[in-house]
Amino acid sequence: KAGVTQTPRYLIKTRGQQVTLSCSPISGHRSVSWYQQTPGQGLQFLFEYFSETQRNKGNFPGRFSGRQFSNSRSEMNVSTLELGDSALYLCASSGGTGPISNSPLHFGNGTRLTVT
Amino acid sequence: QQQVKQSPQSLIVQKGGISIINCAYENTAFDYFPWYQQFPGKGPALLIAIRPDVSEKKEGRFTISFNKSAKQFSLHIMDSQPGDSATYFCAATGLRGGSYIPTFGRGTSLIVHP
Repeated sequence: KAGVTQTPRYLIKTRGQQVTLSCSPISGHRSVSWYQQTPGQGLQFLFEYFSETQRNKGNFPGRFSGRQFSNSRSEMNVSTLELGDSALYLCASSGGTGPISNSPLHFGNGTRLTVT
Repeated sequence: QQQVKQSPQSLIVQKGGISIINCAYENTAFDYFPWYQQFPGKGPALLIAIRPDVSEKKEGRFTISFNKSAKQFSLHIMDSQPGDSATYFCAATGLRGGSYIPTFGRGTSLIVHP
């Protein structure tokens, strides 16, 4: 099975612009979640989608949004970029069909976003 | 407000030695405790995980020890190898809203010298 695929791998944007990141989960996985990884804050949860519905959202401003399509692929969007948004954005999928705690997360290799 | 505290931040071990990474959590509702390993340029990968009804779980050279009363758990890497050099994250997963969401520790950078 192919792993979680994230595109693009690298992005350089300017303050004030917006960006869209893409994630293709492992085939058959219906849950997709997004995380922001920075040296200072570590891995922080952004949001989680299941069957096209956002089930959970972390403590990020409304500039961060996402969606999931019927084929489970997901996108996240960041509008009005700020310097502090520079980070590695990770997508993870899991095969759980409901609120199952021990469904492991399978991470992609991330998108490295640099805001200048 | 960090709910999972991980230490040490960095660790240097000689080949063949034991690497020990500790985590402590606050929320007693957490009920699944995975460890992830991350190499540079890669996403985290699940290494080993434990549920609180078990005090220890071993997979090869990797062992999780879990102390429910102290709300602490640790990762032991026996016979550490240079290939184990990576960043390790502990996590604690609990029900939040309609799904289980992990809270991660800040990570430990492990270097194993040959």
